[in-house]
Amino acid sequence: QKEVEQDPGPLSVPEGAIVSLNCTYSNSAFQYFMWYRQYSRKGPELLMYTYSSGNKEDGRFTAQVDKSSKYISLFIRDSQPSDSATYLCAMVNYGGSQGNLIFGKGTKLSVKP
Amino acid sequence: NAGVTQTPKFQVLKTGQSMTLQCAQDMNHNSMYWYRQDPGMGLRLIYYSASEGTTDKGEVPNGYNVSRLNKREFSLRLESAAPSQTSVYFCASSEHLNTEAFFGQGTRLTVV
Repeated sequence: QKEVEQDPGPLSVPEGAIVSLNCTYSNSAFQYFMWYRQYSRKGPELLMYTYSSGNKEDGRFTAQVDKSSKYISLFIRDSQPSDSATYLCAMVNYGGSQGNLIFGKGTKLSVKP
Repeated sequence: NAGVTQTPKFQVLKTGQSMTLQCAQDMNHNSMYWYRQDPGMGLRLIYYSASEGTTDKGEVPNGYNVSRLNKREFSLRLESAAPSQTSVYFCASSEHLNTEAFFGQGTRLTVV
């Protein structure tokens, strides 16, 4: 079982739709959660980060963490064609010997006008 | 504010050639990282530097060496390039280990 699972998609939605992107993880030592957006042929860009269970909102984006279920989500409201990108979840393993971020493989999102 | 700057952006090498990828950050971050990104494999950590003067292996260090030249700069060296090292390489930095990382724009390397 991989440490972080993320559906690769591709996910295609119409403009204005609500998008839900998800990751599951297997290790309860993961305590710090991030979402990155990566446009084609660009570097990942930090979108949101959170330590705690519950919701964190930033404009059209909401990050949700459920530590009891080991499940995190990113919701995008009123999706726009400019949201078309690959979305990567990432988390820090405080129980690991290496101090690094563990990334999901990314979900490719396409928002159609 | 440039953030994380990588050079070069593109490179083609012949098998057996060597090269160094350069990375510099201007955010006064303590920690720096080198990742490679391959289709279907996601981002994999090659080496990281928790702070100036220290470096440690990540998930896929074989065939690479690194140097933390100073607080700003962290270079990645391929001593004898192999086709399996064809990839997109990303440098990243964070204020401290285990905090959110900021990425450069990547270096697309092809080894023929």
